[in-house]
Amino acid sequence: SQQGEEDPQALSIQEGENATMNCSYKTSINNLQWYRQNSGRGLVHLILIRSNEREKHSGRLRVTLDTSKKSSSLLITASRAADTASYFCATDRGFKTIFGAGTRLFVKA
Amino acid sequence: GAVVSQHPSRVICKSGTSVKIECRSLDFQATTMFWYRQFPKQSLMLMATSNEGSKATYEQGVEKDKFLINHASLTLSTLTVTSAHPEDSSFYICSAKRTGTGFPGELFFGEGSRLTVL
Repeated sequence: SQQGEEDPQALSIQEGENATMNCSYKTSINNLQWYRQNSGRGLVHLILIRSNEREKHSGRLRVTLDTSKKSSSLLITASRAADTASYFCATDRGFKTIFGAGTRLFVKA
Repeated sequence: GAVVSQHPSRVICKSGTSVKIECRSLDFQATTMFWYRQFPKQSLMLMATSNEGSKATYEQGVEKDKFLINHASLTLSTLTVTSAHPEDSSFYICSAKRTGTGFPGELFFGEGSRLTVL
């Protein structure tokens, strides 16, 4: 079963705009991860934020974590057409990694 | 980052035949690998955890006799879809978790295998 829910399910923006995706989860976590999947490909790890961290940056990515609300957000700034992909949050349940429903991002050039 | 190779990337087979998908960790040893299934425009559904040298652990609702998993070495896990039917058509993805210093627990994924059963 999926651990989390993500919204929006789909997001369409213009190149240069920022894209924000949200993820909620149900159980306590040690860390939360975000992954990216290009159509028909495997997933690529983007960023991991630990439960004692509130915000983390990596290039144009900014991830926040609110453990009191059991939610996280992924912000992509100055989006590019190449950012078009599906984005998934994931949390660990024991040794297993469970994925959220994902957000399909489409960046129009 | 670590590299996980999955093969074949695409396979078409006739109903009733069996198909084997391989997942290899190329530059690290993986005592545990994971097999996911993904339907179009949906998330990844964990099918089973593959353990080197022992039996796989299947998720609820996944038929172990239908989806045979073998993890014979620290770098190779295989998923065999037995007596495949059209409803088994899907995108199958393997992954491995690299543990140790510098690797906090992210998964490294293969490129996936698209199975089409006619």
